Amino acid sequence: EVQLVESGGALVQPGGSLRLSCAASGFNFNTYSMNWVRQAPGKGLEWISYISSSSSSIYYADSVRGRFTISRDSAKNSLYLQLNSLRVEDTAVYYCARELSRIATAPYQFDYWGQGTLVTVSS
Amino acid sequence: QSALTQPASVSGSPGQSITISCTGTSSDVGGYNYVSWYQQHTGKAPKLMIYDVRNRPSGVSNRFSGSKSGNTASLTISELQAEDEADYYCSSYTSSTTLVVFGTGTKVTVL
Repeated sequence: EVQLVESGGALVQPGGSLRLSCAASGFNFNTYSMNWVRQAPGKGLEWISYISSSSSSIYYADSVRGRFTISRDSAKNSLYLQLNSLRVEDTAVYYCARELSRIATAPYQFDYWGQGTLVTVSS
Repeated sequence: QSALTQPASVSGSPGQSITISCTGTSSDVGGYNYVSWYQQHTGKAPKLMIYDVRNRPSGVSNRFSGSKSGNTASLTISELQAEDEADYYCSSYTSSTTLVVFGTGTKVTVL
């Protein structure tokens, strides 16, 4: 069974930093691209970052480029998102999501999602 | 890149069919077949219901079907059931720097 479990969410002050993790199991993590998608309270979904299986291709949404960094560790079957220079508008539940197609070279569609981890940015 | 446009709410009685529209542009929905639909129950993670415009993942009921015409994609839920009450989001690959754009979301209510 495919499982994605996020962790690391917390309350942080504006300008602060945080590192989110996503532990993957039940599939060959090394062969799938992965994504982070977030959802602000009461709002819709927003894709924010993609990393290919080999980490050779990385993409970010304009709203987080330059502040967030995606990475992965195949030995630990884990996906990460480093959040720096956090803003109030970054408050959201952050989901990791598996890319549907193993041959995808960019973010397209997401077949499995974790339960999410809440990041709250507030003073 | 603006979000894809969906109706805020759609409702129907058990056993009826409903259709949710998702309108974009030629740069996203109209230009690619990477249109997907996600179901999200309150407080839960999204679940993939339709991918590549009209394909259902294994385990998804055949009461869910997808289609596309021009810049508008649609999700149809037939034989509506109480368990279908949830928020539904469409998404599409886009040629803009956003890469993936989601819809505004539709709340489905089963009367």
